[in-house]
Amino acid sequence: DTGVSQDPRHKITKRGQNVTFRCDPISEHNRLYWYRQTLGQGPEFLTYFQNEAQLEKSRLLSDRFSAERPKGSFSTLEIQRTEQGDSAMYLCATSAAEAFFGQGTRLTVV
Amino acid sequence: AQSVAQPEDQVNVAEGNPLTVKCTYSVSGNPYLFWYVQYPNRGLQFLLKYITGDNLVKGSYGFEAEFNKSQTSFHLKKPSALVSDSALYFCAVRGNNRLAFGKGNQVVVIP
Repeated sequence: DTGVSQDPRHKITKRGQNVTFRCDPISEHNRLYWYRQTLGQGPEFLTYFQNEAQLEKSRLLSDRFSAERPKGSFSTLEIQRTEQGDSAMYLCATSAAEAFFGQGTRLTVV
Repeated sequence: AQSVAQPEDQVNVAEGNPLTVKCTYSVSGNPYLFWYVQYPNRGLQFLLKYITGDNLVKGSYGFEAEFNKSQTSFHLKKPSALVSDSALYFCAVRGNNRLAFGKGNQVVVIP
């Protein structure tokens, strides 16, 4: 257990629906990251927060994706109008000298 | 931009034999390097890191890694592999406030 928790662990949704994932980080870590991992690939950076400020977003993050970290605590990642290509594992991580990852949320869009 | 290459898709090794998983990197400035392990349908578990200091880094579960600046490599090693080491291994380099990962190596330890 890394101390980073993600909810839900699995999500199956129909194409076109909206989904929201939650990440609860290690409390003393200011930086929080979202990564996406598709089958056979390593995780790819999506976005990161320093406290409540979202400092950078990857080009992978289309307009359908939005992330928040209110009050610099937990974070949410929302995908609107899901597409089959959004099917992936979504990983949250918080960082000190090294990154601590949550168990991930596996999204399947049918 | 920073990047990592893991040239082998799969590494097969007999239980009790030495295990090596290869990684080369590219980054501007001093390299901050990491190894993570992933079991099926799980997140990534941190194994070890190189920030500065000794080129041989020791980590969790008997793993170690050797940093070689001239060859820009950071190979993961274990002297005696266990069946339970069978998993997916990722090398990563930090740059631009994020980690860049390789595509991973599937390690299969044969009993």
